[in-house]
Amino acid sequence: QQKVQQSPESLTVSEGAMASLNCTFSDGTSNNFRWYRQHSAKGLEVLVSIFSDGEKEEGRFTAHLNRANLHVSLHIREPQPSDSAVYLCAVNSNNRIFFGDGTQLVVKP
Amino acid sequence: AQTIHQWPVAEIKAVGSPLSLGCTIKGKSSPNLYWYWQATGGTLQQLFYSITVGQVESVVQLNLSASRPKDDQFILSTEKLLLSHSGFYLCAWSRNNNQAPLFGEGTRLSVL
Repeated sequence: QQKVQQSPESLTVSEGAMASLNCTFSDGTSNNFRWYRQHSAKGLEVLVSIFSDGEKEEGRFTAHLNRANLHVSLHIREPQPSDSAVYLCAVNSNNRIFFGDGTQLVVKP
Repeated sequence: AQTIHQWPVAEIKAVGSPLSLGCTIKGKSSPNLYWYWQATGGTLQQLFYSITVGQVESVVQLNLSASRPKDDQFILSTEKLLLSHSGFYLCAWSRNNNQAPLFGEGTRLSVL
């Protein structure tokens, strides 16, 4: 079964500084990875989907996938206080989606 | 545009009582539908998914059941709630297995 782990558990950055979040997974055969964020136990907002090794950019959000290293990351350019939320890594494996425990991001003005 | 609506927004129920949570998707025919559950402070877990009307696959056993009575409707239910059912329930939809599921606003359930 796919295991998804995120780090760090929490991250505080200043407004405008790059925020980098990490996600590792156990099954490298997956080819379907997403980053979501969740504001205060509300519905999830999809940020970026990535299906092949390399980089995928969606606005200020960039995902990097390296399946050989079982690693996918999310970089947030010029984060704002409104970006403060829990960020979740999701890996699709055999028609199931496995989530990490999330990274709590706080962006200070 | 597609919209997803969950009801109720929040629910407080007694242990042993029945539960029914609803989810409706408008603007898309034959969507893939999903139920997720998140215990307070816990990991989001997929409970069920459905590709078509009348067909539901169980992913995690939590003494819950799901049904898809109509193309645009997904129902989560149980006849007897447990304390461990407390948490946040999210419904989601996608066009296919490759699309990122899009989530509703969720239902917060407290079982006392």
